[in-house]
Amino acid sequence: GAVVSQHPSWVICKSGTSVKIECRSLDFQATTMFWYRQFPKQSLMLMATSNEGSKATYEQGVEKDKFLINHASLTLSTLTVTSAHPEDSSFYICSANRELGYEQYFGPGTRLTVT
Amino acid sequence: AQSVTQLGSHVSVSEGALVLLRCNYSSSVPPYLFWYVQYPNQGLQLLLKYTTGATLVKGINGFEAEFKKSETSFHLTKPSAHMSDAAEYFCAVSDQRRYSTLTFGKGTMLLVSP
Repeated sequence: GAVVSQHPSWVICKSGTSVKIECRSLDFQATTMFWYRQFPKQSLMLMATSNEGSKATYEQGVEKDKFLINHASLTLSTLTVTSAHPEDSSFYICSANRELGYEQYFGPGTRLTVT
Repeated sequence: AQSVTQLGSHVSVSEGALVLLRCNYSSSVPPYLFWYVQYPNQGLQLLLKYTTGATLVKGINGFEAEFKKSETSFHLTKPSAHMSDAAEYFCAVSDQRRYSTLTFGKGTMLLVSP
């Protein structure tokens, strides 16, 4: 149990366009989902925390209007990178935890390349 | 604020040798501590975790870690390295007050030579 999926696994988009990444908890209800960004050979940096039905909480320095997060149900959160630029190219990883849980279950990640 | 320091961005061992990956943390409250492994272009897999109780924690794939409060350390060990252990390893700490928010170390790449 506790499987998290992401779609797509990789995406290439042109500069100025928007791209949506989905994160799903397949076999449990996730009250909280997290979005991380990972640059090559670097650690994961938390971008935002989202709770179902409420607005996401963004970490300092993360642009809310650029990285739109929606947590519409207990099994789905989406990250939309708006007006993408080459510097947004990165590996985006989501994670989720169960209600009242402390352990995060990670998705396989999405590789975004902006040309 | 919490922080995690992983000593050594790269650790090289021979197959069959002891693996030791170091992790020190800083936390003003009792921490939860985690070790994750990441294979290329994949997400993170939990190796083991410490929350409360026994300070020596055993995880998957033969790994274990010991929580030493006096040293603020949570080093990861494995008695005998296998080629398949080659990957990036991340130590992470969570703040019990902020539930499951994780702060990660910079990671250590484990290289295993035949």
